Formats: sequence, C-alpha cells, structure tokens
Amino acid sequence: AQTVTQSQPEMSVQEAETVTLSCTYDTSENNYYLFWYKQPPSRQMILVIRQEAYKQQNATENRFSVNFQKAAKSFSLKISDSQLGDTAMYFCAFMNTNTGNQFYFGTGTSLTVIP
Amino acid sequence: KAGVTQTPRYLIKTRGQQVTLSCSPISGHRSVSWYQQTPGQGLQFLFEYFSETQRNKGNFPGRFSGRQFSNSRSEMNVSTLELGDSALYLCASASRGSEGYTFGSGTRLTVV
Repeated sequence: AQTVTQSQPEMSVQEAETVTLSCTYDTSENNYYLFWYKQPPSRQMILVIRQEAYKQQNATENRFSVNFQKAAKSFSLKISDSQLGDTAMYFCAFMNTNTGNQFYFGTGTSLTVIP
Repeated sequence: KAGVTQTPRYLIKTRGQQVTLSCSPISGHRSVSWYQQTPGQGLQFLFEYFSETQRNKGNFPGRFSGRQFSNSRSEMNVSTLELGDSALYLCASASRGSEGYTFGSGTRLTVV
C-alpha cells in the first residue's frame, strides 16, 4: 500500500521569504508520479507542481520547486518569495497509474504567509 | 476554458435520505474521479470513471455509488445517509491522470 506523510501540520513564513514543506512517501513501485496541490479557503484544489519519478531533474514552476530524493522517498516543496496568496493548505500526493489513477494524499500542511 | 463544475455547492440532508451530486468535467477530459474530504480522515478516494466505466474504487461501503455518462459528466449517489457522511465531496477530471487532475470546488454535504 502507498502512504504519504506530511509531518508539519502548520507552518508560517514572512512575506518574501522562502519556506520548505516536507513530504515522505512509502511505495514498492518504481514508476509513479508525485504532486503538490494547494487548497485555499475557496476549497478548490489547485495543482502546484508535479514530478515524474523516472526523471532525476527536480521540477520547477516559477516560485515553486521540489527536492525529489527517490532513494529516500522524499518530495519537499520549496516556495520562494512567498506571497500572501500562497496562504493555503498544501497537500502532497502520490499516484501510480499501474494501479489506476488514484491519488494517495498526505494530511496536509497549513501554510500562513505573514505580511 | 471552463473548469470542473460541481453542483450543488451546499446540501443539507437528513439521516436516512439519499443524495446525488453532479460533476461536469473539463471539455475533453474523459477521466473523472471523486474524493471525500473530512477533518478526521483527510482526502479519501471514492472512485474513478473513464469512458463510462468504473476503473477503480476506494474502500467505501456500497451505499456510495457513481456513474459516468457518454458526455463524461459524472454523478455520485449516497444512499441511506449517515451523520458520518458529512463531508466535502470533490470531483476531479483529467485527460491523462499522470499529468494531474483539475479539481472542482466541491459539494459540502451536511447530514443532520
């Protein structure tokens, strides 16, 4: 079974600073996909960034980047130049398409950006 | 292009009743998934449909069912509602799941 662990229930960061959210996962699969989703108070889950496990290069999307350590089964999210709009719940998710398109989500990290 | 549309946004039902939630995916997306989100259990997978076929099902009782129509729109139904079914139900669609799903804003179901 796949499990995803986010060990930081809450975090805060000053506006314009950098913050890193942690995520670890457990799987016996070799090919899979990892995602970070953001859920603001509006409730809609928004895809932040995705990583293909067979790619060694860490994914980057503007101010968002990941540190993917496959051997350690770690997938952290770094947010640079934090903005007030980044305040939200952040969920790490795992998907192995061999067993169907099913997300396994972590419990989330509530991030607050302080002005 | 239009996003994933879920209706209704809010719903209050009485224990024992049944409810149907609707989801209209992004045009061209044939995969539709449903998730239940609660404070205690987090985000849990309900089922996934692709071209009107259920491809995958989560660990929920048979009271939870769904279907997908030929236009990819999907509905989920919960029968004999229990208080514990109170949750945010999220629908998501994708053309290819590995590229990530687009989620709707959810239906907040309250069972009283």
